[in-house]
Amino acid sequence: GAVVSQHPSRVICKSGTSVKIECRSLDFQATTMFWYRQFPKQSLMLMATSNEGSKATYEQGVEKDKFLINHASLTLSTLTVTSAHPEDSSFYICSARGLAGVRNEQFFGPGTRLTVL
Amino acid sequence: AQSVAQPEDQVNVAEGNPLTVKCTYSVSGNPYLFWYVQYPNRGLQFLLKYITGDNLVKGSYGFEAEFNKSQTSFHLKKPSALVSDSALYFCAVRDTIKAAGNKLTFGGGTRVLVKP
Repeated sequence: GAVVSQHPSRVICKSGTSVKIECRSLDFQATTMFWYRQFPKQSLMLMATSNEGSKATYEQGVEKDKFLINHASLTLSTLTVTSAHPEDSSFYICSARGLAGVRNEQFFGPGTRLTVL
Repeated sequence: AQSVAQPEDQVNVAEGNPLTVKCTYSVSGNPYLFWYVQYPNRGLQFLLKYITGDNLVKGSYGFEAEFNKSQTSFHLKKPSALVSDSALYFCAVRDTIKAAGNKLTFGGGTRVLVKP
């Protein structure tokens, strides 16, 4: 099956620093990648959708200058949390979807736990 | 707008008993429906999906789900639960109309606790 990886799996940083999270599709080309945020005991909330080579589309209420998304290749998308603050602490999950040949299914990464001190 | 409801925050079941996790949805067009399972501090693992065809869908680890269009439901079932099935389960829907933007919308999740 299709595999999506995320790196790092866990990161702790000081308030005010920036953190980059990578999402890779390992064995398929991901034309679209999604970034989700999950708070404890809550569901996944879509933050943004990115298509390879174009700007990300952010959901309402998500600051695009705060959460920078880059989808430079068909196998890699990055999420950068800029000037992180404690309220940005969360579990971030990426998801990738390939071409129609894989039936438009989304495959999820293992998630990245961000803790901002 | 598309939406998913999982009416139960938690389901408790004894090992060996049948397990049901409920899900209802709302879409404008036709739905693509999915079930995922999440273990602590892990991403989502795909269990099964309904795209078209047979209303009864069989998935991983002995799970199945039945698409019921009239009741707009897609309940997840397992005939005999295992302690290892204890996890957080998410139902998700994607509306097939173009205006929906091909996005997955998740339910709030149902925690399943299987007791030995």
